[in-house]
Amino acid sequence: GGIITQTPKFLIGQEGQKLTLKCQQNFNHDTMYWYRQDSGKGLRLIYYSITENDLQKGDLSEGYDASREKKSSFSLTVTSAQKNEMAVFLCASSTGGDSGNTLYFGEGSRLIVV
Amino acid sequence: GQGVEQPDNLMSVEGTFARVNCTYSTSGFNGLSWYQQREGHAPVFLSYVVLDGLKDSGHFSTFLSRSNGYSYLLLTELQIKDSASYLCAVRDSNYQLIWGSGTKLIIKP
Repeated sequence: GGIITQTPKFLIGQEGQKLTLKCQQNFNHDTMYWYRQDSGKGLRLIYYSITENDLQKGDLSEGYDASREKKSSFSLTVTSAQKNEMAVFLCASSTGGDSGNTLYFGEGSRLIVV
Repeated sequence: GQGVEQPDNLMSVEGTFARVNCTYSTSGFNGLSWYQQREGHAPVFLSYVVLDGLKDSGHFSTFLSRSNGYSYLLLTELQIKDSASYLCAVRDSNYQLIWGSGTKLIIKP
């Protein structure tokens, strides 16, 4: 079995600050995702990547940057943290392709903006 | 626009059953998945359906009706540890996942 590790579990920053979340997977999956989870709303896709150095924007990409430095890692940067961005950020990976592929999620990183 | 709808909350009793509903309206359909998410933890895959009918996986069963844009997740012989949120996600014609907001299932002794 594999695992997805997100760091940090809690990220505290000031309004306007640039903040970075990291994600590592050892499934050897091609595709990785960053989702935002807000209370009472469905998961919203921020960025995804189908291979190393690839980046695809999701519906919520504005205000975020991402980087797929290598196959096993995918980082997300909040370019200027806002108080209305306090949410849980979930990283996931999958084998990709057009099948009903299963997503494997990390435990989440909670962003707190003070 | 596209949407996946789920009730916010559902309550049931230990030892009985619970049916978590999901309705969707999407541009095309390429399958529907269910995930379980315990408080403060990662969503975990439970089931995937693409054909109409009931798929029995023991403790969890999944029903799909594509013509009605409707699915449900049925949990039988409920245990307290089944208390969690259950997320429904539909893959549209572009193979993009559209997520519901999840149903929080509370199980009373």
